[in-house]
This record gives sequence, structure tokens and C-alpha cells, in this order.
Amino acid sequence: GAGVSQSPSNKVTEKGKDVELRCDPISGHTALYWYRQRLGQGLEFLIYFQGNSAPDKSGLPSDRFSAERTGESVSTLTIQRTQQEDSAVYLCASSLAGPSGYTFGSGTRLTVV
Amino acid sequence: SQQGEEDPQALSIQEGENATMNCSYKTSINNLQWYRQNSGRGLVHLILIRSNEREKHSGRLRVTLDTSKKSSSLLITASRAADTASYFCALDSGGYQKVTFGTGTKLQVIP
Repeated sequence: GAGVSQSPSNKVTEKGKDVELRCDPISGHTALYWYRQRLGQGLEFLIYFQGNSAPDKSGLPSDRFSAERTGESVSTLTIQRTQQEDSAVYLCASSLAGPSGYTFGSGTRLTVV
Repeated sequence: SQQGEEDPQALSIQEGENATMNCSYKTSINNLQWYRQNSGRGLVHLILIRSNEREKHSGRLRVTLDTSKKSSSLLITASRAADTASYFCALDSGGYQKVTFGTGTKLQVIP
């Protein structure tokens, strides 16, 4: 597609439920990132996929968070047993290998009530 | 991995004035990027400057990089109300290391 697509754009869920967020990167982009951004704050790195290399999961805040990516296509970020502190905008970005800028999706605004 | 530190955290100027924001970092980089974010949603890539470059221009944007001081600045000339946004620097250390984002500068341009 022309850009990075994220779905859903908004998600309200009850505390304790699981949620799955989806990111469709730009075709051909080998690198894919997930970030979390709490209201009024900067971007918090979560996970990084680069081609067929093992993902860098060093930013995942707890074992309730996991992410998958099949090849160089769609990625899903799953949050199990959601907590209120998980409320944030979750941003996905993709890029070509090598030094290049990222293209961001519009994000998923997650609200845990 | 490192994170860029930006200053000021917030900046308010009149339309037509220039806006300057700075990004400092600690370890060597391959390139540095600047992004704009409107309304807390997706970031838009503005400009990338490589470690062997000192200055780069794109329209009303001017980015400088001083690797000896480990700092970069973003200058927006003749600001417009539409420039109101948060601006982030991003550090690329090269290879397969992840890019990390600074803390952001919130710019308000008053019409």
C-alpha cells in the first residue's frame, strides 16, 4: 500500500481482556517497529523486526506483551490481560534497510477501562 | 541504547519568527533524523542528516549536525501556524541497531 496501515484506529477494552493490534507496513520495507506513546510523552520503543533476523524485544514492558511478524509483511502486537497503564497510542513504523527515514502509521489509541 | 535529549521542551513563538530546537546525544551515530507529530498520532519524517554531513536544507527547514559536540539543531524559518506540532529527533547508530527517539519539543506558533 501507499503507507503504513494500522488497525483498529481506536480500541476501548475492559481491564483484563486481551487485545490485538495490527500493522501493515509498506511493501518492501524490511524493518518494522512498534512504539508506545503515553499522553503528552515521547515514544517508548517496544520491539523491532529486521528482515529474518531475531526481533529485538528489549523494549517490551512485561510478558503480557508480545509481537509477531510473518516475513516482511503484517505484524501484530498482542497485549494480554490489559491494565489501565496500558492505555496509550501504539505506533507502528516501517523502513527500508539501511539509513532511511521511517514511515509511521496513524496509530491505535488504546483505552483500558 | 541511547536516547536523544531535546531542548527546549516547549517553545512558543509568533507567526513569521524562526524556531530553533536542539537535540543532544551521547554515543556515535550513523545518521540523525527529525520528525514532526501532529495531535499525538503518526510521526512524519522531515529530514535525515548523515554523520558526515554538517548541514542540510529542505524548504523552510535547516538541520545542522555537530558530531564533535554530539548535537543537532532544527531551524524552521518564517514559521506558520501550521507548524504547530511536536518535533522529535531520532538517532540511528547504524547496522541493525534500533533507532531511538528523543523526548520531543512542543512548538506552538501563534497566528
